[in-house]
Amino acid sequence: AQKITQTQPGMFVQEKEAVTLDCTYDTSDQSYGLFWYKQPSSGEMIFLIYQGSYDEQNATEGRYSLNFQKARKSANLVISASQLGDSAMYFCAMIRPGNQFYFGTGTSLTVIP
Amino acid sequence: DVKVTQSSRYLVKRTGEKVFLECVQDMDHENMFWYRQDPGLGLRLIYFSYDVKMKEKGDIPEGYSVSREKKERFSLILESASTNQTSMYLCASSLHRGGAGELFFGEGSRLTVL
Repeated sequence: AQKITQTQPGMFVQEKEAVTLDCTYDTSDQSYGLFWYKQPSSGEMIFLIYQGSYDEQNATEGRYSLNFQKARKSANLVISASQLGDSAMYFCAMIRPGNQFYFGTGTSLTVIP
Repeated sequence: DVKVTQSSRYLVKRTGEKVFLECVQDMDHENMFWYRQDPGLGLRLIYFSYDVKMKEKGDIPEGYSVSREKKERFSLILESASTNQTSMYLCASSLHRGGAGELFFGEGSRLTVL
């Protein structure tokens, strides 16, 4: 069963604008974690941000923030002030007890100059 | 910095050949993972390992095997490569078995099976 859903295969954003990438997840666990990774065209996976299920505040890392809505089981990534270098694939992932990671199908973000 | 190194960035093999994909991490991580990445399907877990000589099947283990003889090295083996195994293969490691440690990825190995 699909545990991580990313419904936006592709997104476009104007440079310097903010963009939200959607992610919903499915789990009955009480303890879990949510990640976002960036994959540029070069192929490497770059860790961006992490949110634990018990964290009450939304995680932030520089221009990245995670809009965590636990009741709705959503963990959207917000990128503020988009830059050309933000063009990449973005993957949402969940870690469950037992250290199993589940990934979504990804969203391709293109930043337009 | 954690480094996860995959032995080959690009490989081209013929149907039926045996293929070894090697992965080495240098930070004494307990957990290692092999994923396959295909367009529109995201990353799918093939196998993972919590410790030396331990392995667990992921979501798509068919056609693959793994070996973890040393803590730092996790090998993915295609006993008889087939064209539907043409894909990008990503190795990853993480520190703790029970914790929420992030995954550190290698640069990927793009395998083409002709």
